[in-house]
Amino acid sequence: ETGVTQTPRHLVMGMTNKKSLKCEQHLGHNAMYWYKQSAKKPLELMFVYNFKEQTENNSVPSRFSPECPNSSHLFLHLHTLQPEDSALYLCASSFSLWGEGKNIQYFGAGTRLSVL
Amino acid sequence: AQSVTQPDIHITVSEGASLELRCNYSYGATPYLFWYVQSPGQGLQLLLKYFSGDTLVQGIKGFEAEFKRSQSSFNLRKPSVHWSDAAEYFCAVGSTSGTYKYIFGTGTRLKVLA
Repeated sequence: ETGVTQTPRHLVMGMTNKKSLKCEQHLGHNAMYWYKQSAKKPLELMFVYNFKEQTENNSVPSRFSPECPNSSHLFLHLHTLQPEDSALYLCASSFSLWGEGKNIQYFGAGTRLSVL
Repeated sequence: AQSVTQPDIHITVSEGASLELRCNYSYGATPYLFWYVQSPGQGLQLLLKYFSGDTLVQGIKGFEAEFKRSQSSFNLRKPSVHWSDAAEYFCAVGSTSGTYKYIFGTGTRLKVLA
């Protein structure tokens, strides 16, 4: 298997539930990203991890909790979400080095989240 | 601040017609530039990229894009559109100054008429 794999593809949860999104990459990359894609809005970068260390948190509410146990896996733990959190959550990965050809991001198919 | 503008939210073309999707960016230097495509229910797939050199870049699926520094543009083109090209297209700017963050445009949704 190659590329970036996200599970589950669809998730429906209540506002009091706790769930987790999973992302796995088989590209040998060192950096991983969570994006939120809502209708009629640009992709919003949520978190960036580089060599398992969080390097970016774009003022994301604490009800979203990322975890990166190694360079191949990234999780997004969800709890007490709001209906406005319903969106497509995309994971991406890249090499951590910058320069030509190094910072191309490869995306997973996303998890479609619906919060009731 | 860096920004990317895709002025067309929706574009409709007939199958076989030519296509041009517009992208303008704001950046202090020559950035890295990308076009991605997203089919319904899917993630983003890289169509093509510009880092340096020849300003006309070729991508997958018959797409090309031209970097015009004077216009701060990176427009995507295809000479003959196929029904399977119906999707959403995103332009993105990547920093060249030591960070690997992207700034994405809001996307252009392409509809193809048979």
